[in-house]
Amino acid sequence: QVQLQESGPGLVKPSETLSLTCGVSGYSISRGYSWAWIRQPPGKGLEWIGSVYQSGTTYDNPSHKSRVTISVDTSKNQFSLKLTSVTAADTAVYYCARHWKSGGCFDYWGQGMLVTVSS
Amino acid sequence: DIQMTQSPSSVSASVGDRVTITCRASQNISSWLAWYQQKPGTAPKLLINAASSLQSGVPSRFSGSGSGTDFTLSISSLQPEDFASYYCQQANSSPLTFGGGTRVETK
Repeated sequence: QVQLQESGPGLVKPSETLSLTCGVSGYSISRGYSWAWIRQPPGKGLEWIGSVYQSGTTYDNPSHKSRVTISVDTSKNQFSLKLTSVTAADTAVYYCARHWKSGGCFDYWGQGMLVTVSS
Repeated sequence: DIQMTQSPSSVSASVGDRVTITCRASQNISSWLAWYQQKPGTAPKLLINAASSLQSGVPSRFSGSGSGTDFTLSISSLQPEDFASYYCQQANSSPLTFGGGTRVETK
């Protein structure tokens, strides 16, 4: 059974960098698939942030204007998100997910982690 | 970006009712559409991909249809565990985008 778990600080100050890691168990990242970050502001809808292949190739949502870095560490079976220059608008539940590229959808999700941007 | 518009934004229904949710894409996405169910405080769960392909383990009362720009998710006989929010997502082109969601509430 594929399982994903987000970890990282739950509180980040404005203008600083949000850093999250997603640990994957039950499946080796190096076998394939893409791995994604998705967020959901409180009471709002879902937004895809970006995805990374096991090779390290990334593709992301241009709406974040190059603030996003997604990387993968196959030796630790995890992938990470960095979002720079955060503001209150970046407050959200952040989910990591397995991105089934051939189907274009997200078939396994982490439980989600609330990250609040506040001084 | 492809805009995904869901309607209605909320629907009140009773157990046993048939519920239909619509998702419209701002341009042709062929059958590159997925549906998710989300209950409060939990992650979304993939129900359907490729517009009509039911994920393993998803009850057969759920069905999806459509292609091009217009899609529907139907629940043939609403069960107590189906009260939740539902989201569509286009997978045709980057950036991947979601609809605004439909909340299925108790009448």
